[in-house]
Amino acid sequence: GENVEQHPSTLSVQEGDSAVIKCTYSDSASNYFPWYKQELGKRPQLIIDIRSNVGEKKDQRIAVTLNKTAKHFSLHITETQPEDSAVYFCAAKKNVDTPLVFGKGTRLSVIA
Amino acid sequence: SAVISQKPSRDICQRGTSLTIQCQVDSQVTMMFWYRQQPGQSLTLIATANQGSEATYESGFVIDKFPISRPNLTFSTLTVSNMSPEDSSIYLCSVSEDRRQNFGPGTRLLVL
Repeated sequence: GENVEQHPSTLSVQEGDSAVIKCTYSDSASNYFPWYKQELGKRPQLIIDIRSNVGEKKDQRIAVTLNKTAKHFSLHITETQPEDSAVYFCAAKKNVDTPLVFGKGTRLSVIA
Repeated sequence: SAVISQKPSRDICQRGTSLTIQCQVDSQVTMMFWYRQQPGQSLTLIATANQGSEATYESGFVIDKFPISRPNLTFSTLTVSNMSPEDSSIYLCSVSEDRRQNFGPGTRLLVL
């Protein structure tokens, strides 16, 4: 089955700096790669996703890149703000009927 | 996107008892997924529930411990049976729309 590895497990950055979180996946049949943000005591919220026919997607300060050949994808957050502090999860999925498989998460702390 | 509700939102239970968690969606969905999130951990898939058929369980999860019902396209239940303190977790239901997965608010369970 699919296995998703996520690094780093914790990340501290100064406010205004960039943050990068990386994930690798094992199943070449996976073709959908979302990123979720989970704040303390809340459910995971989808922040950005990318499909396998796209190499990069950007939404304001957040971007995701995908290298299907190498089976890795990354989340980039620019101009970080204290409210970006949360746990971020990457995930992978094959199709609408299969479940997401999650990475272990990255705890991001943005220091003001 | 689909609105997902769960009951109860939290509960404190005695070991050896069982708790049934309900998940209600405001639109018809084919697949519903149940995840467990242990304290400080990532989301682990328990099972996939397809209306009209038996749930499919992931390795390490068995029907006797986590029976699931899926009586129609908008509702599912997960029962945590014969609970022990190790079952203390957040339990989340999730539905797939296209490939995107949204999550319910979760049920926070503490077993004493």
